[in-house]
Amino acid sequence: SQTIHQWPATLVQPVGSPLSLECTVEGTSNPNLYWYRQAAGRGLQLLFYSVGIGQISSEVPQNLSASRPQDRQFILSSKKLLLSDSGFYLCAWSSRVWAFFGQGTRLTVV
Amino acid sequence: AQTVTQSQPEMSVQEAETVTLSCTYDTSESDYYLFWYKQPPSRQMILVIRQEAYKQQNATENRFSVNFQKAAKSFSLKISDSQLGDAAMYFCAYRSVGATSGTYKYIFGTGTRLKVLA
Repeated sequence: SQTIHQWPATLVQPVGSPLSLECTVEGTSNPNLYWYRQAAGRGLQLLFYSVGIGQISSEVPQNLSASRPQDRQFILSSKKLLLSDSGFYLCAWSSRVWAFFGQGTRLTVV
Repeated sequence: AQTVTQSQPEMSVQEAETVTLSCTYDTSESDYYLFWYKQPPSRQMILVIRQEAYKQQNATENRFSVNFQKAAKSFSLKISDSQLGDAAMYFCAYRSVGATSGTYKYIFGTGTRLKVLA
């Protein structure tokens, strides 16, 4: 069966520090992969999605970037975090029918 | 661009009663999927139900059913016999289908927080 792993679960980082969140999927090949951000009390904002290795589409101009170095690995990065980057980040993969989500990472930038 | 609107930030329902959560969307596409996801306090996103736009029959999953009105671009979720475990944030989502590459983008509403009263 397919599973999705996302880590870390919780992260506290100072302003200006770098960021790397990792997401891996097992049990499927060539999945569509997504990064979403959920700010407090708000919905899910699509940040990036990828249909294949090295293929990244950005939905919102921001301080973040994404990479897909392997078929089932999706990384969210930042060179210098801002306070406004705080939030709950969710990785997801999609079959042809629906999307499955990781457990999420709560990022607090201080 | 597609948009999804959930106009009810919060709803309450008595245990064992029925509640309906509203969702409207905007799209120019004729074929798409619609979903309801549940996010309990653990924040894990759980798929509740899905609807294919080309199907007129409303989807049903046990106590959960939808009222899909394609012309009105409305997709409401009905929860029957509400249980305490149904308390969560509910998100309506739209999935487009990429023309060639199979790019499935999921667009979410802002969510409705459902409280279940004992």
